[in-house]
Amino acid sequence: DQQVKQNSPSLSVQEGRISILNCDYTNSMFDYFLWYKKYPAEGPTFLISISSIKDKNEDGRFTVFLNKSAKHLSLHIVPSQPGDSAVYFCAAVGSGGGADGLTFGKGTHLIIQP
Amino acid sequence: GAGVSQSPSNKVTEKGKDVELRCDPISGHTALYWYRQRLGQGLEFLIYFQGNSAPDKSGLPSDRFSAERTGESVSTLTIQRTQQEDSAVYLCASSFSSATNEKLFFGSGTQLSVL
Repeated sequence: DQQVKQNSPSLSVQEGRISILNCDYTNSMFDYFLWYKKYPAEGPTFLISISSIKDKNEDGRFTVFLNKSAKHLSLHIVPSQPGDSAVYFCAAVGSGGGADGLTFGKGTHLIIQP
Repeated sequence: GAGVSQSPSNKVTEKGKDVELRCDPISGHTALYWYRQRLGQGLEFLIYFQGNSAPDKSGLPSDRFSAERTGESVSTLTIQRTQQEDSAVYLCASSFSSATNEKLFFGSGTQLSVL
């Protein structure tokens, strides 16, 4: 049973436009959420995170929104750039600590078209 | 080194053989994780080491899988009697601590192909 779901395997966006990547979770014990970005043949790299006490966190072109009541978060990238083309993983962890690491979604492949 | 290093980067083996994968974490990182990513799937937690504590093996899929870590340094993941369903990218990550908000730093992974 997937506790972190990314229902869009891929997303194509024009350069300069906004990219919106969605993530849903089912475990109400999750209270910290992260987005990782992965290029081919490389390991995932941390992008941005948000704690459950917030509903928004912004870092440059990247903003993550959290809707706790809907158990939904989204990553907004604006404006989208060609270098943003990658697989984006949503991840979550519970307040019990990181003893079992993060729970990851299956990822969304973002393709930025020129 | 500056980042998490994994070797080999690629491994092709025959069904039934044993394989050993290696991970060198970032120096000073006390927490080390192994994940697996099968084709079209997300990252699947396998095992976690924190300092000298007993590892959390709750994610290991079968007793053919085992891992060791020497102190706070190198870790090896061993898969015995490999099966075709073991084919995946095996990713190692380390972090400064196991705190909830601690970022994980990943290596580039080992692509394992079991023929």
